[in-house]
Amino acid sequence: GQQVMQIPQYQHVQEGEDFTTYCNSSTTLSNIQWYKQRPGGHPVFLIQLVKSGEVKKQKRLTFQFGEAKKNSSLHITATQTTDVGTYFCAVHTPNDYKLSFGAGTTVTVRA
Amino acid sequence: NAGVTQTPKFQVLKTGQSMTLQCAQDMNHNSMYWYRQDPGMGLRLIYYSASEGTTDKGEVPNGYNVSRLNKREFSLRLESAAPSQTSVYFCASWAAEQFFGPGTRLTVL
Repeated sequence: GQQVMQIPQYQHVQEGEDFTTYCNSSTTLSNIQWYKQRPGGHPVFLIQLVKSGEVKKQKRLTFQFGEAKKNSSLHITATQTTDVGTYFCAVHTPNDYKLSFGAGTTVTVRA
Repeated sequence: NAGVTQTPKFQVLKTGQSMTLQCAQDMNHNSMYWYRQDPGMGLRLIYYSASEGTTDKGEVPNGYNVSRLNKREFSLRLESAAPSQTSVYFCASWAAEQFFGPGTRLTVL
C-alpha cells in the first residue's frame, strides 16, 4: 500500500496559538483522510479530501490537499485544550480494501 | 445503533495463553479490520476482511489468526500470547470512512 509520512511526531502548543501538521507522500494520492484520537480513546474520522488543491474547514480546523496530491496539511487556529490528541492521516489505494495510516502527530496544549 | 463493539475492554494474559478478541458491527459494512497500536507506531494492520467469507493478511499478521464469522462479526485470536503482543487492539469497519471500536488493552506478562 501507499506510505505516508507525518510531521511533526509531537507538537506542544500554547493555548491560543496556531499550528500545522503535515502528511507527505512520494506518490500521487487518490484521496486522503484525517482522523483524531483523544487520549485513551479510539480514532474518529474527521474528513476526506479528494480533489487537487481542495480546502475544507471544520470550525477552527482547516484541511488542505496539495495541488500535486502528494501532501496534505491540517491547520488548527487558536488551539484549545479540546484539541489535545493524536491526528492521523490515512490513504486509500483504489481497488484496495486497506487504509494506510501515518504514524500520527500527538498534540499537547499548555494552558 | 451501537456502531463497532469490542470485548473485552481489558485483558491480562500470561505468556503462552490463548485468547480471542471479539468484534461486531451493526452498520451492515462489508469490510472489517484489526489493528494494533503501540506508542509511536501509529496503527498497524494485522488482518482484514474485505467481505464475508474472505480474510487477508495485513502488515503484522504473525502470531494472530482471524475468523469472519458472519457479516457482523470478526474475531482475532492469539494462539500463544507473547509479551511482544502487549498492545491496544482496535477493530474497525469501513464504508467510505473507518469506524473504530473502543479498543482492547491487552497486557501479556
